[in-house]
Amino acid sequence: DTGVSQDPRHKITKRGQNVTFRCDPISEHNRLYWYRQTLGQGPEFLTYFQNEAQLEKSRLLSDRFSAERPKGSFSTLEIQRTEQGDSAMYLCASSPLTGQGVLNYGYTFGSGTRLTVV
Amino acid sequence: GEDVEQSLFLSVREGDSSVINCTYTDSSSTYLYWYKQEPGAGLQLLTYIFSNMDMKQDQRLTVLLNKKDKHLSLRIADTQTGDSAIYFCAESVTNAGKSTFGDGTTLTVKP
Repeated sequence: DTGVSQDPRHKITKRGQNVTFRCDPISEHNRLYWYRQTLGQGPEFLTYFQNEAQLEKSRLLSDRFSAERPKGSFSTLEIQRTEQGDSAMYLCASSPLTGQGVLNYGYTFGSGTRLTVV
Repeated sequence: GEDVEQSLFLSVREGDSSVINCTYTDSSSTYLYWYKQEPGAGLQLLTYIFSNMDMKQDQRLTVLLNKKDKHLSLRIADTQTGDSAIYFCAESVTNAGKSTFGDGTTLTVKP
């Protein structure tokens, strides 16, 4: 088990361009989460999936943001028409559901994708 | 809405105990977590506690929960330089659901 993988690690883009990030969760984890973290702050919830179903999306999330998890495995997060305010670290995490025979709670995070919009 | 507050900085000497404090507002919080983040890395889950517990101990880590005051603390015994990092408190209402994080406490351990 290689943990949660995110790609790319860094992305620099020009304002107005579209970007897409990928997350590969721990294979036996049903739930997958996207968070955004800016400097000096804690992670801010964006959205999460249980298998392929998107269960919740933050009200703060602009309609320029969309996430998918088509086969219930990896997930992508797309930001359209990027703005400088989108510059942040985008964190993916996964977790098992209760009853999957694990005693741990909480998330396993990936190392994040750092987005810089210039 | 939910809110989680932490003090921003803590500095201790190597070998001393560190105590990091957190308060939260959501009385429905059932699961409370401590995560550690080192520079350039994602967050690592350290420990968690259920709201029906007062204390949990895990090696050098002790978590205390005062549910009445909605106050959570993390004590690190015999703090080492490798413990220098940002520590985040988080809460969630359900297991494996959305979590709300504080802004983190930067712990500096001086030799």
